[in-house]
Amino acid sequence: GENVEQHPSTLSVQEGDSAVIKCTYSDSASNYFPWYKQELGKGPQLIIDIRSNVGEKKDQRIAVTLNKTAKHFSLHITETQPEDSAVYFCAAERIQGAQKLVFGQGTRLTINP
Amino acid sequence: NAGVTQTPKFQVLKTGQSMTLQCAQDMNHNSMYWYRQDPGMGLRLIYYSASEGTTDKGEVPNGYNVSRLNKREFSLRLESAAPSQTSVYFCASSAGDYTDTQYFGPGTRLTVL
Repeated sequence: GENVEQHPSTLSVQEGDSAVIKCTYSDSASNYFPWYKQELGKGPQLIIDIRSNVGEKKDQRIAVTLNKTAKHFSLHITETQPEDSAVYFCAAERIQGAQKLVFGQGTRLTINP
Repeated sequence: NAGVTQTPKFQVLKTGQSMTLQCAQDMNHNSMYWYRQDPGMGLRLIYYSASEGTTDKGEVPNGYNVSRLNKREFSLRLESAAPSQTSVYFCASSAGDYTDTQYFGPGTRLTVL
C-alpha cells in the first residue's frame, strides 16, 4: 500500500527565511498531492495541492514541486512570517486500499522572530 | 457559514463506556469523513460516506460505527471505549471525492481511562 514519508518532523527557521518540507510516496499511480496546515487547536486546512500533470504550482509565498519519477514532492514557503508557524501535513493519493488519501506524519514548523 | 462543526470538543470516558461524536456540515457536500490523529502519525481514516445513505470502512474501523443521518450529519459511535481509542477525532467533508478539498472540523479530544 501507499506509504508517505515526511521530513523533517520539526523545522525551525528565522523569520524572513525560506522553509522546505519534503515527502516521498510509494504508489506510482498517485496523481493528487495536497498540503494541509494545522494551527494549534484547529483542524487541518488545505493550503495548496498539485496534480501529476504539472511539476510546480505557486500561490503567493507558497509553492509545491512534484517529481513523479523520483516519487517525491515538496512544500516551499518563502519570506516566512510568524503566522506560518503550524504543523504541515502532506498527503498522496492511494489507488488501492480503504484510505484513498494517505497523510504524512506532519512537520512542526516554528518561525523565530 | 459555520463550515464543519463537531461536538463535543473534549470528552473523558471510562473503559467500556459508549459515546457518539457528532458532526455536521452546511456546505451541501456529498462526502464526509472521520479521521483519528495520534502523535507522530498522519491522519488515519476510520469511516467515510460518499453520499447520503452510504458508508464505507476506512483504514482503522474496528471499534467504531457510523451513521450518515442525512446529507448534513455524520456521526461516529464508540460502543465500548478502550484506552487505545484515546485520540483526537476529526470530521471532514468534501464536495466530491477525496481529490476535492477536504474541510475539517475543529476536532474532539477523547481520553479513555
